[in-house]
Amino acid sequence: AQKITQTQPGMFVQEKEAVTLDCTYDTSDQSYGLFWYKQPSSGEMIFLIYQGSYDEQNATEGRYSLNFQKARKSANLVISASQLGDSAMYFCAMRGARRGGGADGLTFGKGTHLIIQP
Amino acid sequence: GAVVSQHPSRVICKSGTSVKIECRSLDFQATTMFWYRQFPKQSLMLMATSNEGSKATYEQGVEKDKFLINHASLTLSTLTVTSAHPEDSSFYICSASRTGSSYNSPLHFGNGTRLTVT
Repeated sequence: AQKITQTQPGMFVQEKEAVTLDCTYDTSDQSYGLFWYKQPSSGEMIFLIYQGSYDEQNATEGRYSLNFQKARKSANLVISASQLGDSAMYFCAMRGARRGGGADGLTFGKGTHLIIQP
Repeated sequence: GAVVSQHPSRVICKSGTSVKIECRSLDFQATTMFWYRQFPKQSLMLMATSNEGSKATYEQGVEKDKFLINHASLTLSTLTVTSAHPEDSSFYICSASRTGSSYNSPLHFGNGTRLTVT
């Protein structure tokens, strides 16, 4: 079974500051993917960044980077130079390989509600 | 690329009626689609995995006779909420997995359907 833990229900951050959203995970799978999604108040799920279990370098996508520490089973999202439009729910998620091919669906954490203040 | 269309975006129905929600992958084939449910201020919970040409796999606690899933083609999955009751009111969101993809591929989400049962 897979489990994602996000311990920050809500965060307030000043505009232009960097913010780190915490995520820890638990799995017995050797092959897995870690994902971060953003969900604005409108409800759509926006894919931000991906980190594979075998990737040795931390993933980066523009202002987003993923601080992957495999031994600690953590996959924190770092947003640099936060903007007002970053205000949203952020979900950490995991996807494992399925025996016989393919993959499971995503298992989500409870999310962090990020509010960027001007 | 990788666009998922979900309709309707909002639906209000009377208790006892059935509601059908469609999920289409517009520019890719999806052997597998996933249906999630999200209550206000909560995370996404996987309801079922929809497989093209075969029966859906339901998560524990999800009534398969209440939430009928049909995945008749590689681009379309439908979720029918039968005999809806007020407690079925929720945000339903589908996601699609590109055929041949694995755990290292993100899922692409529709924009969700907000169901209100009166």
